[in-house]
This record gives sequence, structure tokens and C-alpha cells, in this order.
Amino acid sequence: GDSVTQMEGPVTLSEEAFLTINCTYTATGYPSLFWYVQYPGEGLQLLLKATKADDKGSNKGFEATYRKETTSFHLEKGSVQVSDSAVYFCALIKAAGNKLTFGGGTRVLVKP
Amino acid sequence: ETGVTQSPTHLIKTRGQQVTLRCSSQSGHNTVSWYQQALGQGPQFIFQYYREEENGRGNFPPRFSGLQFPNYSSELNVNALELDDSALYLCASSFGDRDDEQFFGPGTRLTVL
Repeated sequence: GDSVTQMEGPVTLSEEAFLTINCTYTATGYPSLFWYVQYPGEGLQLLLKATKADDKGSNKGFEATYRKETTSFHLEKGSVQVSDSAVYFCALIKAAGNKLTFGGGTRVLVKP
Repeated sequence: ETGVTQSPTHLIKTRGQQVTLRCSSQSGHNTVSWYQQALGQGPQFIFQYYREEENGRGNFPPRFSGLQFPNYSSELNVNALELDDSALYLCASSFGDRDDEQFFGPGTRLTVL
């Protein structure tokens, strides 16, 4: 079945450091790919998405590129802030599908 | 535009009891999906309702059931609660076949003792 694998955390960084969270997926066909963020005590917020190969999703300084050849969708941010501390989830949904399949989440802690 | 709301925020039940969780979808959305997020894990799809009919189900037993009402709000019912049912239950709404744009509520934290 479909699956999403992302690097385990926690990832601890200093403010203004570069952040990368790796995400790879297994799915038939051409899924859409997502990054969601969950702040403490809150639900999930869509951070960015990409719907086809080579698409780049971007939002709030975060970027991820849909790489079909490596089945990857790594999340990057060039300069993190304390407010970026959260849990980040990579997810996919298959074309004509109706359920999101999530990775296990990566906790990011940014220290001042 | 009103976002997705869920109630209650928290609740505590004992093993064997039944629970009902509620979700109001975002304005203009007619599809509701439910997910279970165990502590430290990613959300798992329970089922989806579209126009008051179940439209797909994940790997959850029949004691997990749901409803969707004409105003597109939804309920998740869990019977015969087990300790492993302790989790954050998330509701997400979307419009029609645009399932790639699911908007999540804040969740209900269920603790089963």
C-alpha cells in the first residue's frame, strides 16, 4: 500500500539555521504531495503542496520539490525562526483518492 | 469564512463506554474526513463522508462509525472504547472531489482510562 517515510526527530536548530526534513514516498500512479505543520496544541495546517513531478511548492519561506525519479519531497527553509518550532508532516493523496496518507512527523525545535 | 470546528476539545472516558465527537465543516464544504492521531504518530484515515454517504474507509473496526448531516456537519461515534483509542481525533473538510485541499479542525483529545 501507499506509505510516507520522513526523518525522525527531534531536529534541534539555532535561529537562522538552514532546515531540511527528508520525505520519501511509495505509491502507484501520480500522487499529490503535501507538507502539513502542527503547532503545539493545534490541528494541522497545510504548509505547501505539489501536484505533479518537478512542481515546487512554497509558502512562508519553506520550499519542497516533487521529485518523481527519487520519490521524494524534501522540505527546506533557508533561515528558521523560533516560531517555526512545530511538528511537520509529509503526506500524499492519490489521484482520484480520498484519503491523505501521512508520515510519522518530524519535530523541529528552533532555539534563540 | 468559518473554519472547521470540533467539539468537545477534550474528554475522558472509561474502557467499554461509547463516545460521540462532532465536527462542523468549513463554509462551502460538503465533504468531511476523520483521522486518528495517536501520540507521536501521524494521522491515520478513519473514513470520509460526502453528501451524507460514507465515501471510503480506512483500516478501522466497525465500532468506529459516523454520520453526516444535511448541513454537512459530521459525527464520529466509537463504541466499546479500548485503551488504544486514546488519541487526537481530527476532522478535515473539503469540497467535492478536491480532496487535495483538506482543511483540518483543532481536534478532540480523547483519553480512555
